[in-house]
Amino acid sequence: AQSVTQPDIHITVSEGASLELRCNYSYGATPYLFWYVQSPGQGLQLLLKYFSGDTLVQGIKGFEAEFKRSQSSFNLRKPSVHWSDAAEYFCAVGLNTGGFKTIFGAGTRLFVKA
Amino acid sequence: DGGITQSPKYLFRKEGQNVTLSCEQNLNHDAMYWYRQDPGQGLRLIYYSQIVNDFQKGDIAEGYSVSREKKESFPLTVTSAQKNPTAFYLCASSTKSTRENIQYFGAGTRLSVL
Repeated sequence: AQSVTQPDIHITVSEGASLELRCNYSYGATPYLFWYVQSPGQGLQLLLKYFSGDTLVQGIKGFEAEFKRSQSSFNLRKPSVHWSDAAEYFCAVGLNTGGFKTIFGAGTRLFVKA
Repeated sequence: DGGITQSPKYLFRKEGQNVTLSCEQNLNHDAMYWYRQDPGQGLRLIYYSQIVNDFQKGDIAEGYSVSREKKESFPLTVTSAQKNPTAFYLCASSTKSTRENIQYFGAGTRLSVL
């Protein structure tokens, strides 16, 4: 069955430190991959997406993600975290299963300490 | 400004009561979605609509109903048959319902049971 796994429920990093959020997917065909961010009590906003081509994609707010087909992963990275990055991050995959749908991971909550 | 408006922000339901959550978009999107968000479970699809007067059940449609009489509007009714309605509900839209479509989210409605 298709699925998206985010192994870390929460992560704490110091402001200015680098960040990597992990995402693994299970899907037989070429995946369409997304990272969304959710601030507390708000909806989700798209950070970046991968459909094809260069496996390193750039997004908003200084985030990037790398697609690794051999590892079925799409990890999100940021070189230097700011306090305003504290939020919940969702990895998602777009599927064609007789109808089109998007499956979201359970999310990783990022805490930033001063 | 274009976007998705959900109302109310907070909603309380009494036992045996039906309640309706509003979702309006002015993005001229064809597809609209309702998700339920519970802590640690990510987003689960309740219903989606690809076009006016048509909608399909998602993964957890039991106890919910929707209508799509206008392109801009996709209200969700939480019926008394939904025994555990307490959750954060998110409405989203996209240009079409396809694998690569980016979804735009409203700010959500938090539903609680009295």
